Amino acid sequence: GAVVSQHPSRVICKSGTSVKIECRSLDFQATTMFWYRQFPKQSLMLMATSNEGSKATYEQGVEKDKFLINHASLTLSTLTVTSAHPEDSSFYICSATQSSGNTIYFGEGSWLTVV
Amino acid sequence: QKEVEQDPGPLSVPEGAIVSLNCTYSNSAFQYFMWYRQYSRKGPELLMYTYSSGNKEDGRFTAQVDKSSKYISLFIRDSQPSDSATYLCAMSSNAGNMLTFGGGTRLMVKP
Repeated sequence: GAVVSQHPSRVICKSGTSVKIECRSLDFQATTMFWYRQFPKQSLMLMATSNEGSKATYEQGVEKDKFLINHASLTLSTLTVTSAHPEDSSFYICSATQSSGNTIYFGEGSWLTVV
Repeated sequence: QKEVEQDPGPLSVPEGAIVSLNCTYSNSAFQYFMWYRQYSRKGPELLMYTYSSGNKEDGRFTAQVDKSSKYISLFIRDSQPSDSATYLCAMSSNAGNMLTFGGGTRLMVKP
């Protein structure tokens, strides 16, 4: 089946720094990628929808200047958490859908800890 | 009221039991229905995908969709301890589009 890879799986950064998380579709072209965050014991919360070559669409309440999303190619989207704060510590998950497909596949997720 | 409702559990069953997981929804535009399994500290894994109403079986898993009642179910036969995870239902109105998730049900299968 389709594979979506996220990197890094775990990252610890200092407060005030920026961190980038990559999401790659390994065996298909993903015209649309989604970014979620998930707090412990809670469901996934959609942060933004990213279409290749265009600006991401952010959900209400998500700061676009803080969570920078780039989808420069059909196999790669990146999420950069800028000026990270401890409250940004969370599990970030991406998903991707094929241009001709019906199914959304998820990455393994990235644990971000801001200290 | 949330668009998709799912009992958070935890649901605890003995090994070998039949497990029934359910979601209700309010948006009649939903046509694509998915069940994901999420182990602790991992991304969700697609288990079942169905379109419109009906049943779909894959091994020990059976997904049912009743659009008239806005109710979907996932049945797990001969449950195993390795099935212990959080199960998320998800649905969308268009193929490949944004998913709306239930809150997830935590399942524990005890040996």
